[in-house]
Amino acid sequence: GAVVSQHPSRVICKSGTSVKIECRSLDFQATTMFWYRQFPKQSLMLMATSNEGSKATYEQGVEKDKFLINHASLTLSTLTVTSAHPEDSSFYICSARDSGTTHGEQYFGPGTRLTVT
Amino acid sequence: GENVEQHPSTLSVQEGDSAVIKCTYSDSASNYFPWYKQELGKRPQLIIDIRSNVGEKKDQRIAVTLNKTAKHFSLHITETQPEDSAVYFCAAASYAGKSTFGDGTTLTVKP
Repeated sequence: GAVVSQHPSRVICKSGTSVKIECRSLDFQATTMFWYRQFPKQSLMLMATSNEGSKATYEQGVEKDKFLINHASLTLSTLTVTSAHPEDSSFYICSARDSGTTHGEQYFGPGTRLTVT
Repeated sequence: GENVEQHPSTLSVQEGDSAVIKCTYSDSASNYFPWYKQELGKRPQLIIDIRSNVGEKKDQRIAVTLNKTAKHFSLHITETQPEDSAVYFCAAASYAGKSTFGDGTTLTVKP
């Protein structure tokens, strides 16, 4: 089946530093990837839609200069949290849509637990 | 934009009983409705989905029904087992568009 990997799985960083999270589709191509943020016991909140070769589309209220998204290839999207603060601590999950189908299924990565101290 | 409401937020059943989770959506353009199961600290896993040209779909103990007129869809789990305990999310999307998720239902199956 379709597999999406995410790296790192867990990261602790100091306030003011930047953190890059990678999302890869391992056995399929994905022109579209999605980045979500999930707080404990809450739903998935879409942050942005990442499109290969073009600028990401950010949801209302998400700062694009703080959460930089790059989708440079059909199998890789990255999310960089710049100048991280403790309130950015969260579980970040990506998902990828298989370009080879029109069915719309999304396959999720395992998530990245970010802790900003 | 799309708005998805999910009920109940928590559900506790005895092993062997059935569980039903309901969702409503607002955008009539949505035509794809997946259900995900998420265990603590893990990624959401697609368990079943339904498209707008179908009213019902079943996969072993799991079934989903869709009422396009009323804009609601439901997940049915029969013969529940303790390993079914997890958080379940519904979502609504168009084929090429983003998914909007419900707030989730925490299902607990008591042995």
